[in-house]
Amino acid sequence: DQQVKQNSPSLSVQEGRISILNCDYTNSMFDYFLWYKKYPAEGPTFLISISSIKDKNEDGRFTVFLNKSAKHLSLHIVPSQPGDSAVYFCAALGGNEKLTFGTGTRLTIIP
Amino acid sequence: EPEVTQTPSHQVTQMGQEVILRCVPISNHLYFYWYRQILGQKVEFLVSFYNNEISEKSEIFDDQFSVERPDGSNFTLKIRSTKLEDSAMYFCASSEVPLVGYTFGSGTRLTVV
Repeated sequence: DQQVKQNSPSLSVQEGRISILNCDYTNSMFDYFLWYKKYPAEGPTFLISISSIKDKNEDGRFTVFLNKSAKHLSLHIVPSQPGDSAVYFCAALGGNEKLTFGTGTRLTIIP
Repeated sequence: EPEVTQTPSHQVTQMGQEVILRCVPISNHLYFYWYRQILGQKVEFLVSFYNNEISEKSEIFDDQFSVERPDGSNFTLKIRSTKLEDSAMYFCASSEVPLVGYTFGSGTRLTVV
């Protein structure tokens, strides 16, 4: 039962361009969404979040967009840098403390 | 910057043995969690812990699993009789309040042979 889906297992982007990572969810009870970044041999690191009452949240190079009617969110990274190469996980919270993660997208930034 | 510390980083154990995975959460955090990631799969919730008791657990967290906060700083996950399918990365996390992004530790890789 995949309540949070990241349909692209991998993405390659040229350095300096925009990286767009997508996430879809099925559970209408989710009301808070988070993006995590993960390097090999490390735990997930919190990047940015958005509440369901907003449609956009921006923090430096990172912007998260939420389309509630489509149950879709995306993470934009601009400009992309080599250090952004990692696995990105979308996660959702819905009225409790349990994070439901997507399967992740491996982002590779090409110098 | 405060961090969540997990030990050991890698644990190899024989099937049927008991293992204890240890975590030191961030000191002013009140909510503690264990997640796991089987190789190639997504990160899965195991259990949340608040006020010295389990507040929520997943179907994965069956009777072979237990958690404990034996003192003011450590938070442990015990697997009583390990199975091959318990091989995974186990991540501890803590948060001040649930809706703020958790802080994860760097994980313990458990290999059951």
